[in-house]
Amino acid sequence: EADIYQTPRYLVIGTGKKITLECSQTMGHDKMYWYQQDPGMELHLIHYSYGVNSTEKGDLSSESTVSRIRTEHFPLTLESARPSHTSQYLCASSEATREGHGYTFGSGTRLTVV
Amino acid sequence: GESVGLHLPTLSVQEGDNSIINCAYSNSASDYFIWYKQESGKGPQFIIDIRSNMDKRQGQRVTVLLNKTVKHLSLQIAATQPGDSAVYFCAGPPRSTTGGFKTIFGAGTRLFVKA
Repeated sequence: EADIYQTPRYLVIGTGKKITLECSQTMGHDKMYWYQQDPGMELHLIHYSYGVNSTEKGDLSSESTVSRIRTEHFPLTLESARPSHTSQYLCASSEATREGHGYTFGSGTRLTVV
Repeated sequence: GESVGLHLPTLSVQEGDNSIINCAYSNSASDYFIWYKQESGKGPQFIIDIRSNMDKRQGQRVTVLLNKTVKHLSLQIAATQPGDSAVYFCAGPPRSTTGGFKTIFGAGTRLFVKA
């Protein structure tokens, strides 16, 4: 039973469109993360948040933006999608006191920009 | 810089055999490691973790071994089953950056289980 939800599961969109990938968790976790993962490749952190109104950029440069207005919600927005944004986007959350342990991941959004 | 990586991109084993997936790290100050399993079309799932004051930890059918001397850890799966087919990631401890920290994930090893 998933405690972290991502929508949509799959998305095919045209170049230049604005999109928002949704991520919600019901565990009350303070920390939330967005990772980008190409097929068969490692995860790259693109954004993270340690609580409401706290957001930081991760290792991988990304043209996306995030917001954290509520603890349970951490949406990711691409203002103008490009084919280079085609990838899988994984959202995760963790307990504030146990960094690295118990990362709970969503099922991901597979984005294709045509 | 710090890195966590896996030795082999793929591993193929016969059903019922034991599997060993390896991982190396570079930061000698690392004190905590986690193994994740990612099945096709899903997000990674926590399997087992180990702290640096341990050299072995056992779970259900899985064992993680940590060798701090050579900065190496391994995940052993006993009696591998078809349901074990997945990509396995080792993750390093938080890496400090200005204003926060984040976990490093290595490249995965894809485990194929042959019936």
